Amino acid sequence: EVQLLESGGSLVQPGGSLRLSCAASGFTFSSYTMSWVRQAPGTGLEWVSSIGGRGVGTYYADSVKGRFTISRDNSKNTLYLQMSSLRAEDTALYYCAKDCYGDHVRCFDPWGQGTLVTVSS
Amino acid sequence: DIQMTQSPSSVSASVGDRVTITCRASQGISTWLAWYQQKPGTAPKLLIYAASSLQSGVPSRFSGNGSGTDFTLTISSLQTEDFATYYCQQAKSFPVTFGQGTRLEIK
Repeated sequence: EVQLLESGGSLVQPGGSLRLSCAASGFTFSSYTMSWVRQAPGTGLEWVSSIGGRGVGTYYADSVKGRFTISRDNSKNTLYLQMSSLRAEDTALYYCAKDCYGDHVRCFDPWGQGTLVTVSS
Repeated sequence: DIQMTQSPSSVSASVGDRVTITCRASQGISTWLAWYQQKPGTAPKLLIYAASSLQSGVPSRFSGNGSGTDFTLTISSLQTEDFATYYCQQAKSFPVTFGQGTRLEIK
């Protein structure tokens, strides 16, 4: 069974940093593009970032470009999101998601349960 | 960026009804479209990919159609467990974008 387990979310002050992790199991991790998608309270879904299976291609939403860095450690089956210069508008539940096809970004399946990031003083 | 617009934003329906949700892309995306269902407090679940392919394990009452800019998600006979929020998503090009969601409520 494919499982994705996010961790690392917490309350952080504006301007602060945080690193999210997503531990994956049940599939060949290095064969799949992985992504982060966030959902602010009471709102819709916003794609944040994606990384290719071998970690070569990385892609970011304009809203986080230059502040967030996606990475992966295929030896540990773990996806990361390093977040810096955090703003109140980054407050959201952050989901990690596996691509449904393979080493592309086409659709997301499955999703983890999410980890909550709150940016507030 | 490709904008995805869903309609309606919310809809009320009864068990057994047929419901159709529409998603329109601001430019052509071929069939690079997926549909998700999200229930309160849970992660989104993939229903349809490539515009019309049913994800494994998803009931056959769900169907998707369309290509280019106009797409639909149809639930042929609503069940109690189908009341949720539905999102479309395009992956033709970066940034990946989602529709704003359609909330399906019990009448």
